[in-house]
Amino acid sequence: KNQVEQSPQSLIILEGKNCTLQCNYTVSPFSNLRWYKQDTGRGPVSLTIMTFSENTKSNGRYTATLDADTKQSSLHITASQLSDSASYICVVSVSGSGGGADGLTFGKGTHLIIQP
Amino acid sequence: EPEVTQTPSHQVTQMGQEVILRCVPISNHLYFYWYRQILGQKVEFLVSFYNNEISEKSEIFDDQFSVERPDGSNFTLKIRSTKLEDSAMYFCASNYLAASYNEQFFGPGTRLTVL
Repeated sequence: KNQVEQSPQSLIILEGKNCTLQCNYTVSPFSNLRWYKQDTGRGPVSLTIMTFSENTKSNGRYTATLDADTKQSSLHITASQLSDSASYICVVSVSGSGGGADGLTFGKGTHLIIQP
Repeated sequence: EPEVTQTPSHQVTQMGQEVILRCVPISNHLYFYWYRQILGQKVEFLVSFYNNEISEKSEIFDDQFSVERPDGSNFTLKIRSTKLEDSAMYFCASNYLAASYNEQFFGPGTRLTVL
């Protein structure tokens, strides 16, 4: 069964500090992996999308890594800001699903709180 | 920057009533989706729509649900007879390419509360 597990469930850090969120998946065959940021009561917003051949991708202070061999990804946030407080969702896409949305497996997300 | 919009932002209804949630996808997008997120749980896929017909649907999307693209801009989700367990955030999403190959753009969501 395709699954995406994220850790930690929640995290509190001080403003200005760095943090790393983890995503482990069992989705196969793998197509791509995305990280989304979801502010409370809002829709998810894409941060990065990585295919099998990509090991790292950055978007400002967000850097995602992918190890397709161990089926792990991480999202590193540098110099956190209060506006980074949100849920961060890992989504993995299955290859060969015809491109459909039913080929996407969502994680439960990590709830990140940045304290001043 | 173009964005997906949804109305209303919050809908309160009585159990058994019909509700219609509305979405305006990004104008040049071809694939449209509905997702739901029960409070505290993960986002769940409901249905995808392409070329004026449903292309995939999940087990959640039973006969109580329907989707429609009544004109060139709106994309609606109808729940015929709401149940308490339908209370959730409903997100519309769209993109130009199929979901598995490209990122999706999500709307802000409609919070549905069934009493």
